[in-house]
Amino acid sequence: DAGVIQSPRHEVTEMGQEVTLRCKPISGHDYLFWYRQTMMRGLELLIYFNNNVPIDDSGMPEDRFSAKMPNASFSTLKIQPSEPRDSAVYFCASSQHPTGRLYGYTFGSGTRLTVV
Amino acid sequence: QQPVQSPQAVILREGEDAVINCSSSKALYSVHWYRQKHGEAPVFLMILLKGGEQKGHDKISASFNEKKQQSSLYLTASQLSYSGTYFCGTEDFGNEKLTFGTGTRLTIIP
Repeated sequence: DAGVIQSPRHEVTEMGQEVTLRCKPISGHDYLFWYRQTMMRGLELLIYFNNNVPIDDSGMPEDRFSAKMPNASFSTLKIQPSEPRDSAVYFCASSQHPTGRLYGYTFGSGTRLTVV
Repeated sequence: QQPVQSPQAVILREGEDAVINCSSSKALYSVHWYRQKHGEAPVFLMILLKGGEQKGHDKISASFNEKKQQSSLYLTASQLSYSGTYFCGTEDFGNEKLTFGTGTRLTIIP
């Protein structure tokens, strides 16, 4: 397996534009997580899915953020409209257990988002 | 609430030992440790479940004191490849998700 695949690796966009981040989890992993990493707040859980169903979205900052998982092999995180404070590295991770209790989480390489 | 890690940063010479601590204000079911190298994704190191166990991974080991809600990561005879930021992730009872600490940046110099 190629691991968790995220795209794009880097995204620079202007304030107010729509941004879509993409993730392909490891096949057979029932759980998919979106994290945001900043220097100030560290790794924050935004939302996670179980079998394509959103389970906990309490970490989603506000209505500008939305996430979908239309099938077991694809998820998107959308920010509309984007703001400079959204600049961060966004990681997608997948696992066989909600807390990775068996083998941990496998993280993708991340998307570095810069909003100017 | 985020677990608290200490120290925030440490610089060691190759071959020296290090201890990284992780403390929570909540009763914990498990503690997880990850390492992230600069510009890369976090990588899973190990998990410790309640029961006060200690685990090892090459020259990296960890302990979990559930009574104190603390875990410690031990790096013995550190190698250059150990450099990176170490995160603990905690799972408390009745809450099936991980909360990550703010990280400890470890720098190993020759």
